Amino acid sequence: RKEVEQDPGPFNVPEGATVAFNCTYSNSASQSFFWYRQDCRKEPKLLMSVYSSGNEDGRFTAQLNRASQYISLLIRDSKLSDSATYICVVNPAAGQAGTALIFGKGTTLSVSS
Amino acid sequence: DTGVSQDPRHKITKRGQNVTFRCDPISEHNRLYWYRQTLGQGPEFLTYFQNEAQLEKSRLLSDRFSAERPKGSFSTLEIQRTEQGDSAMYLCASTVGGGPGGGYGYTFGSGTRLTVV
Repeated sequence: RKEVEQDPGPFNVPEGATVAFNCTYSNSASQSFFWYRQDCRKEPKLLMSVYSSGNEDGRFTAQLNRASQYISLLIRDSKLSDSATYICVVNPAAGQAGTALIFGKGTTLSVSS
Repeated sequence: DTGVSQDPRHKITKRGQNVTFRCDPISEHNRLYWYRQTLGQGPEFLTYFQNEAQLEKSRLLSDRFSAERPKGSFSTLEIQRTEQGDSAMYLCASTVGGGPGGGYGYTFGSGTRLTVV
């Protein structure tokens, strides 16, 4: 099992749609979690941190289920500007993979008018 | 500009040549990371510095790769005898301390896109 696995993409949705991305992680001792956004040929940028039971930021909601080792990102009322790749990122337990964050492959979202 | 700076933005080199990339992290960030990203993949960890100490190296970092952070500020990543498989985006990121990953996520630079021909 890969350390961080995400839904295969791409996701193609119309404006206004609600879209959900899922991510699973293999290390049950992982400490914290993030969602990053990456635009084409740009660097990844932190979208949201996900702590404890999850959090919300405007149209974006991140959920964490530690028992199932599962993280999700929900985007409501999709905008054209939401088109990007969304990457699930895991902070592993100390001593595994050093202290470096582990990035998933990402899922590409395309929002059309 | 208070972000992470990387130089150059693009580098085209012939196979077998040596290349060096530079990263200037956010000044108050003591942790610096190098990642590599190829098309369709997420960033893959290469190496990590806390201040000037290189604390972790990935198995991806073959002996042709070397990284330094001599004064705990900027860092360089050198690739010797480049191969076509080294073609990728090389990303530098920094963060503050306070636990693995800092707890705050990383700030990435714009990356150096290497093409080996």
